[in-house]
Amino acid sequence: QVQLVQSGAEVKKPGASVKVSCKASGYTFNSYGISWVRQAPGQGLEWMGWISAYNGNTNYAQKLQGRVSMTTDTSTSTAYMDLRSLRSDDTAVYYCARDLGVYTSISHFDYWGQGTLVTVSS
Amino acid sequence: EIVLTQSPGTLSLSPGERATLSCRASQSVSNNYLAWYQQKLGQAPRLLIYGASSRATGIPDRFSGSGSGTDFTLTISRLEPEDFAVYYCQQYGSSPKTFGQGTKVEIK
Repeated sequence: QVQLVQSGAEVKKPGASVKVSCKASGYTFNSYGISWVRQAPGQGLEWMGWISAYNGNTNYAQKLQGRVSMTTDTSTSTAYMDLRSLRSDDTAVYYCARDLGVYTSISHFDYWGQGTLVTVSS
Repeated sequence: EIVLTQSPGTLSLSPGERATLSCRASQSVSNNYLAWYQQKLGQAPRLLIYGASSRATGIPDRFSGSGSGTDFTLTISRLEPEDFAVYYCQQYGSSPKTFGQGTKVEIK
């Protein structure tokens, strides 16, 4: 069965960076993409960006351009999301999701990770 | 970017009743690439509907999606106790993919 297992909760100071991992199993990793979505406490869902696990192409949300990087390691079927220059409003649960788009980000998600809480506080 | 507006914000209904949730887009959604997700407290979202009207694998047929262009609807024909949750629509026909703000379906 398809599973996406994310790394554990993180507490970071403003200005620091965080790297969240998402290990996939139960499917052919490089036949899909991975999208990252975050949810601030008590708020809705915000798409952060997409990466193709086939060729590493990315498409980031404009508001995060320059602060976010998404990568994959096909040898371990793991995706990573790196967010830099953290601010208090980056405090959120971060989700990875299997994205049906492998050549394009024009696609929906069908499986989600369990989420990783990132808290940014001095 | 396409802004999605969901209504109502909260729907108070009893088990067995019909739920109708609306999602309106600020511009036409390309190819009707509109999805619906269900999220329960403390859990990740779950895909219900994609392509405006196609049910995802394992989703009961009491969930149905309809609509095109800028107006979309999620209907739950008869609410079961496990259906009380928050529902989000999402458009993925253009970048950035955007979500509505959610509709909470609560027990009356």
